[in-house]
Amino acid sequence: GAGVSQSPSNKVTEKGKDVELRCDPISGHTALYWYRQRLGQGLEFLIYFQGNSAPDKSGLPSDRFSAERTGESVSTLTIQRTQQEDSAVYLCASSLEAQREINTGELFFGEGSRLTVL
Amino acid sequence: QQPVQSPQAVILREGEDAVINCSSSKALYSVHWYRQKHGEAPVFLMILLKGGEQKGHEKISASFNEKKQQSSLYLTASQLSYSGTYFCGTYRGKLIFGQGTELSVKP
Repeated sequence: GAGVSQSPSNKVTEKGKDVELRCDPISGHTALYWYRQRLGQGLEFLIYFQGNSAPDKSGLPSDRFSAERTGESVSTLTIQRTQQEDSAVYLCASSLEAQREINTGELFFGEGSRLTVL
Repeated sequence: QQPVQSPQAVILREGEDAVINCSSSKALYSVHWYRQKHGEAPVFLMILLKGGEQKGHEKISASFNEKKQQSSLYLTASQLSYSGTYFCGTYRGKLIFGQGTELSVKP
């Protein structure tokens, strides 16, 4: 596709269940980011991939959160044993990595996956 | 370290100007600006690199003061379409965003 695609767009789950959120970045984009946005709040950094590697996982809130990326393409964010505080929109963004040490290219965001934990 | 934006919110009349500031406690390599309209994904506005370079986008421009570790976004002659939340992002190996500035432009 032409843009970043995320699925599902909406997910309602019960507390304690596991969820998987998927991100299809723009083809050729080597950098991929996951952010969390709670209602009315800012963009909270979760994790960043360069290719299939995650140089920085420091934003993951707890060990219930994990992410992987394969084929320098699709990424999956998994939340285990979901809690009500996990309710948020999870945004994925990709970019052409440019001048890696000092800059990243323009980020293209997907529409997000809205997660509601009951 | 999350950059700090000010003000948190601003209300303008059409045609008025606004400035949104972004500051960091750490040295910056680059600063990004994004705008997010309600219910939509953030959209890129511009990137500023070291050197005090000023970039422009329509009637929206920005500056980057590397020594002060600050960037400012200037919106001139605001239009209704400028309403939204503006985020600055600072890059040090990863892109971290400020808490956002909510801008409302009224007729």
